[in-house]
Amino acid sequence: DTGVSQNPRHKITKRGQNVTFRCDPISEHNRLYWYRQTLGQGPEFLTYFQNEAQLEKSRLLSDRFSAERPKGSFSTLEIQRTEQGDSAMYLCASSLLENRGIYEQYFGPGTRLTVT
Amino acid sequence: DAKTTQPTSMDCAEGRAANLPCNHSTISGNEYVYWYRQIHSQGPQYIIHGLKNNETNEMASLIITEDRKSSTLILPHATLRDTAVYYCIVRPRNSGYALNFGKGTSLLVTP
Repeated sequence: DTGVSQNPRHKITKRGQNVTFRCDPISEHNRLYWYRQTLGQGPEFLTYFQNEAQLEKSRLLSDRFSAERPKGSFSTLEIQRTEQGDSAMYLCASSLLENRGIYEQYFGPGTRLTVT
Repeated sequence: DAKTTQPTSMDCAEGRAANLPCNHSTISGNEYVYWYRQIHSQGPQYIIHGLKNNETNEMASLIITEDRKSSTLILPHATLRDTAVYYCIVRPRNSGYALNFGKGTSLLVTP
């Protein structure tokens, strides 16, 4: 399968713990995006990378959130000191930036986080 | 990006055409109309996009009005597997990053 993969698919953690999610984009894609989706809402943008550079962060990305893409391939999203409000589906997407323009985003299945 | 308005929910009988409307009256000249859908417990899936001409691919057709203030996504022969939330998004072709999903239309295809 050459699509976007995310691990783990589900994570249950206690409030105050740190969690880390991983996203593996489609191999030739140079842009990688993170979104968060709460129940009944559409996905909301968190941040994106072009290769290894983090180019944009949403105001939703508080100081407890950090994302990395160290070699321009896979990415990790870490949440420190989790709160119950962090419970959501975390979605990763990738796309290919070429001179002709930026192509459509392809999404992974998401990581569902539950903070108890 | 221009704001879009979609009905909250729609029903469609299996085998019939599903016509999903979207209003985007503030769309500007360089903005495209994109459609994504999200099947329950899956990530969003790209369907189609267009600027001003009607577009068709293996999944759907996109009809954009001449004034570009509204559009309709057409699933010609809806199946049960088309039950999903459908998002209409307006954005410049080369804007690069965030997709602004909104709440979309929840389409239920019934037997």
